[in-house]
Amino acid sequence: SQQGEEDPQALSIQEGENATMNCSYKTSINNLQWYRQNSGRGLVHLILIRSNEREKHSGRLRVTLDTSKKSSSLLITASRAADTASYFCATDEGAQKLVFGQGTRLTINP
Amino acid sequence: KAGVTQTPRYLIKTRGQQVTLSCSPISGHRSVSWYQQTPGQGLQFLFEYFSETQRNKGNFPGRFSGRQFSNSRSEMNVSTLELGDSALYLCASSLQGAGMEETQYFGPGTRLLVL
Repeated sequence: SQQGEEDPQALSIQEGENATMNCSYKTSINNLQWYRQNSGRGLVHLILIRSNEREKHSGRLRVTLDTSKKSSSLLITASRAADTASYFCATDEGAQKLVFGQGTRLTINP
Repeated sequence: KAGVTQTPRYLIKTRGQQVTLSCSPISGHRSVSWYQQTPGQGLQFLFEYFSETQRNKGNFPGRFSGRQFSNSRSEMNVSTLELGDSALYLCASSLQGAGMEETQYFGPGTRLLVL
């Protein structure tokens, strides 16, 4: 089952612009994570935000979490061609597993 | 530290056959999880092993099974393959497991094609 719904499903922007992706989920969570996947390869962990945190930064990444709305957003600033990938949010269900959204396919145009 | 490795990387099988996929976690990691990724269903959790015990299982038929060895390496087996089993199979390792607020480290995946 898919816990997260991501929006938009696809996003195409120019290099240097900011990219924002949103994720909504259904049940209570302990934490939410964002992952990146390049072209059908393995997932790379980007950032983890706990349920008692509202915002977190890591380099050019900024993640927000609104537990009252059961939603999170990932902002990538000053995008680069290398940021072209699919981005997934994942929530824990407290049972040793991650539940992933369908992902946002991000394309950075040079 | 070496990352998570999966073998083989690519596999072609025919319907009715069985297949075994292998995953070697990062040294020291005791939790190994398996996920199936398809265009239609996305990333779906298969099962998770910790110290040779299956702790959680996703909603997959009994044809999907797994095990973990004392060195934390894990295998998953799919018997009586169906066309719909064609997918990218990903394993992930961590120290204690996804529910422990840990980063999951993913391998490159095994791409299985069932003809």
